[in-house]
Amino acid sequence: GAVVSQHPSWVICKSGTSVKIECRSLDFQATTMFWYRQFPKKSLMLMATSNEGSKATYEQGVEKDKFLINHASLTLSTLTVTSAHPEDSSFYICSARDGGRGSPLHFGNGTRLTVT
Amino acid sequence: GQQLNQSPQSMFIQEGEDVSMNCTSSSIFNTWLWYKQDPGEGPVLLIALYKAGELTSNGRLTAQFGITRKDSFLNISASIPSDVGIYFCAGQGGGAQKLVFGQGTRLTINP
Repeated sequence: GAVVSQHPSWVICKSGTSVKIECRSLDFQATTMFWYRQFPKKSLMLMATSNEGSKATYEQGVEKDKFLINHASLTLSTLTVTSAHPEDSSFYICSARDGGRGSPLHFGNGTRLTVT
Repeated sequence: GQQLNQSPQSMFIQEGEDVSMNCTSSSIFNTWLWYKQDPGEGPVLLIALYKAGELTSNGRLTAQFGITRKDSFLNISASIPSDVGIYFCAGQGGGAQKLVFGQGTRLTINP
């Protein structure tokens, strides 16, 4: 149980274009999902908390107009990187809980974004 | 903000050896989690700890939630090649939904 699916697993796009990444909870409902970014050989950095039916909560320093988050249903959150630049190239990972606040986070397999 | 210090940053061991890594925090956590991440994949949950002093095992892995609630360790016994990867500790404070991650421990095993 507690499977989080992320799509696509990798994507290459040109500068200036937008890319959408999907995160789905396959066997449970998630009112809250979390989006992380990971640079090579670094730890996970929380970007934003995605809330079903309401606006996402962004961490300090994360541009909300650049990283658009939509959580339209209890099983799907999307992250759209708008007007991508090469410095947006990174590994993006989503996660969700299958229980209350104290339950552990389960992660998707991540999306490798390369902006050329 | 909250920070976790995870050590060591990297380990190079022989197959069959035991491994120990730990995390310390400047503040109290209510939950400690240990994850393993393979290259190009998302972290996979290994062990979850919910009570101070709790000692939990998962096969060859053992983790403990420190009595002070500010630290945790993970031990791996009799390491095998598939243990190679990056191990992350993560903590969650009271009322907070988000996790704070350690810097990771990169484990390399020489056959």
